[in-house]
Amino acid sequence: AQSVAQPEDQVNVAEGNPLTVKCTYSVSGNPYLFWYVQYPNRGLQFLLKYITGDNLVKGSYGFEAEFNKSQTSFHLKKPSALVSDSALYFCAVRDKTGANNLFFGTGTRLTVIP
Amino acid sequence: EAGVAQSPRYKIIEKRQSVAFWCNPISGHATLYWYQQILGQGPKLLIQFQNNGVVDDSQLPKDRFSAERLKGVDSTLKIQPAKLEDSAVYLCASSFRTGGNQPQHFGDGTRLSIL
Repeated sequence: AQSVAQPEDQVNVAEGNPLTVKCTYSVSGNPYLFWYVQYPNRGLQFLLKYITGDNLVKGSYGFEAEFNKSQTSFHLKKPSALVSDSALYFCAVRDKTGANNLFFGTGTRLTVIP
Repeated sequence: EAGVAQSPRYKIIEKRQSVAFWCNPISGHATLYWYQQILGQGPKLLIQFQNNGVVDDSQLPKDRFSAERLKGVDSTLKIQPAKLEDSAVYLCASSFRTGGNQPQHFGDGTRLSIL
């Protein structure tokens, strides 16, 4: 069975500081991993994905994520947070060898404080 | 490129009434998904189409929910009759093809409120 855990419902960070949004996953095989962002009253926007290869993945709007197989984690990071980064962030996983379904975490609300 | 279009954006109905949502995916995208997003939760897949065929509908409550994609482009999702617990945002997404590394592109959703 596939699952995703986002242990923090809320993350607050000061503008200009680095941010991290945590995600851990569980799949039976090798994973595809994704991060999406959701702004109020909008659908989810794709940020980045990990397929294979380099453990550090770079995505849109200056975000990056680090894949750690031993810790089964895929944390989202950004070196310097902007107020406009305030939104709801979802981690998602898909098993490469299994179903095509994307399984989403419950989301982490990021608030960047001016 | 135009994104995934959904309508209506908002719908309010009473329980036991019926409702339908419409989705137009990104042009050329063969795979279409319907998700249900309950407040405070991540999206949950209801049904996945590849062209006009159903790939996965294992999470669709088939006693009240139905979906179709007759010509392999637009899709409609229907609820009949609605229950209070159906209050949620219904998201449509599409991807170029079915495949593990394909990102899904989402519409803005339809927010359904059941009174």
